[in-house]
Amino acid sequence: SQQGEEDPQALSIQEGENATMNCSYKTSINNLQWYRQNSGRGLVHLILIRSNEREKHSGRLRVTLDTSKKSSSLLITASRAADTASYFCATGAYSGAGSYQLTFGKGTKLSVIP
Amino acid sequence: KAGVTQTPRYLIKTRGQQVTLSCSPISGHRSVSWYQQTPGQGLQFLFEYFSETQRNKGNFPGRFSGRQFSNSRSEMNVSTLELGDSALYLCASSLYRSGVTQDEQYFGPGTRLTVT
Repeated sequence: SQQGEEDPQALSIQEGENATMNCSYKTSINNLQWYRQNSGRGLVHLILIRSNEREKHSGRLRVTLDTSKKSSSLLITASRAADTASYFCATGAYSGAGSYQLTFGKGTKLSVIP
Repeated sequence: KAGVTQTPRYLIKTRGQQVTLSCSPISGHRSVSWYQQTPGQGLQFLFEYFSETQRNKGNFPGRFSGRQFSNSRSEMNVSTLELGDSALYLCASSLYRSGVTQDEQYFGPGTRLTVT
């Protein structure tokens, strides 16, 4: 079952502009992660933000987390054509027996036009 | 360090057959998880293995099974294949240390399975 829901489903911007993607989820989490996927290939881990953190930066990426609203956003600044990909948020939670599970949303398809 | 590797990368099978996919985690990673990705359902968790034991299982029928070996390599098996099993199957590994949470999962390139 899907936990995270990304918004928008698709986003098209010009190179150099900023791209913002949002993610909402339903249940309590230990952390939230963002991944990138190029053309049906494997997922590349971008950034992880823990439930007690509110904001995190990594290069041109900025992630925020609002646990009271159960939502997160990913901002990519000064986008490049190479940023064209699908972006997924995934909520991470531990179950009994210490098992950790990621639950993914359906993703935002970002197109950056040169 | 070498990344997560999956073999084969592409596979075509016929309905009713069975298939085995292989995953080699990053050296030192002890947890391996499997996911199925389809256009309709997106990325869905199949199961997670740690120290040769399945610790967690997603909502998939019993036709989907897996195992993990003592070197942390993992295999998943799908028996009696159906058309709907056509998907990209992704394996992810993560480092696990007792008392320390290491939540980042590193994904392999996937195995694209087509069932005809």
